[in-house]
Amino acid sequence: GENVEQHPSTLSVQEGDSAVIKCTYSDSASNYFPWYKQELGKGPQLIIDIRSNVGEKKDQRIAVTLNKTAKHFSLHITETQPEDSAVYFCAASYTGTASKLTFGTGTRLQVTL
Amino acid sequence: GAVVSQHPSRVICKSGTSVKIECRSLDFQATTMFWYRQFPKQSLMLMATSNEGSKATYEQGVEKDKFLINHASLTLSTLTVTSAHPEDSSFYICSASHDREDGYTFGSGTRLTVV
Repeated sequence: GENVEQHPSTLSVQEGDSAVIKCTYSDSASNYFPWYKQELGKGPQLIIDIRSNVGEKKDQRIAVTLNKTAKHFSLHITETQPEDSAVYFCAASYTGTASKLTFGTGTRLQVTL
Repeated sequence: GAVVSQHPSRVICKSGTSVKIECRSLDFQATTMFWYRQFPKQSLMLMATSNEGSKATYEQGVEKDKFLINHASLTLSTLTVTSAHPEDSSFYICSASHDREDGYTFGSGTRLTVV
């Protein structure tokens, strides 16, 4: 089955700096890679996703890059703000509504003033 | 956007009783729903995949007689924790896959405390 590793487990940055979170996956059949933000006591919220037919996707301050050859994908947050503080999870699956997501272990991001 | 409603958000029950958690897709049909369990400071652990009109598929190590899943309609799946014990206390989260596009929407989670 799929295995997703995520690093770092914790990340502290100053407001305005950039934050990068990296994930690797094991199953070359995976072709859908979402990123979720989870605030305390809440369910995960999708912040961005990427499919295997593109190498990069950007949405305002958030970008995701994918390297299919190396089986790596990364989340980049620029100009971080205190409200970005949360736990971020990467995940992987293959296309198909019945396919299950495999989650990374999570990164606790803290943005300090 | 797609919305998944999960209820209750918090529940406290006594040991030995059963608790039902509901997961509803509000504006789309969800042929497949997923149930996760999350321990403090850990990732989401998939418990089972629920398909409308058929039996759920449980992950290895998950007791299907303890965690009963019913997906009777295209917009509703329920998870019933039977004969709950304190070790069942956890955060339970459902998600639904979209019928019109790839992607998954998550519910807001249910904090279960068994006393």
